Amino acid sequence: GAGVSQSPSNKVTEKGKDVELRCDPISGHTALYWYRQSLGQGLEFLIYFQGNSAPDKSGLPSDRFSAERTGGSVSTLTIQRTQQEDSAVYLCASSFSTGAGNTGELFFGEGSRLTVL
Amino acid sequence: EDKVVQSPLSLVVHEGDTVTLNCSYEVTNFRSLLWYKQEKKAPTFLFMLTSSGIEKKSGRLSSILDKKELSSILNITATQTGDSAIYLCAVMTGANNLFFGTGTRLTVIP
Repeated sequence: GAGVSQSPSNKVTEKGKDVELRCDPISGHTALYWYRQSLGQGLEFLIYFQGNSAPDKSGLPSDRFSAERTGGSVSTLTIQRTQQEDSAVYLCASSFSTGAGNTGELFFGEGSRLTVL
Repeated sequence: EDKVVQSPLSLVVHEGDTVTLNCSYEVTNFRSLLWYKQEKKAPTFLFMLTSSGIEKKSGRLSSILDKKELSSILNITATQTGDSAIYLCAVMTGANNLFFGTGTRLTVIP
């Protein structure tokens, strides 16, 4: 498809298990963002990838969270030893960024809803 | 620490009313301010503002940036039930990172 694709759309897991969430950005978009949105809350920044630069990981809430972006395209967000407070919708977004030319128009995926029991 | 604050957190109005949503920010290297509308899942882009005092307009929605006051407002005139959504303000920094506020939940009652 032409948009940002995320999978799974819903994931229910038990506390302590690891989960992987996948994001397929729009082809050609060099910037990729992960955000977390808890019920009724705004978007909490997690991590930002820009081209081949080192990612900005400053928003990751703990060392249980990690993310990779392979080949400058698909990204995987991994949460190890999940906790109940990790329950949220995880949104991925991409944009076409040429440094100073970034318009800021992010294209969001539909999100992955994670529920930790 | 970069911070984006929106007010009010929620708002309930009747169809036809005009609303003003506020966004203030504190960032170390401001590049632009953006507004998004989130109805169900994925936020959709509304405006990007980079210069103070220049109004951006799209139909019944308009927005303006005040760099001196480090703030922006989003106005919606003649509100309709379809305007019910969470309105998100975000600030893009010089590093091309984008920080969001907590959002304003707008409910428009018929």
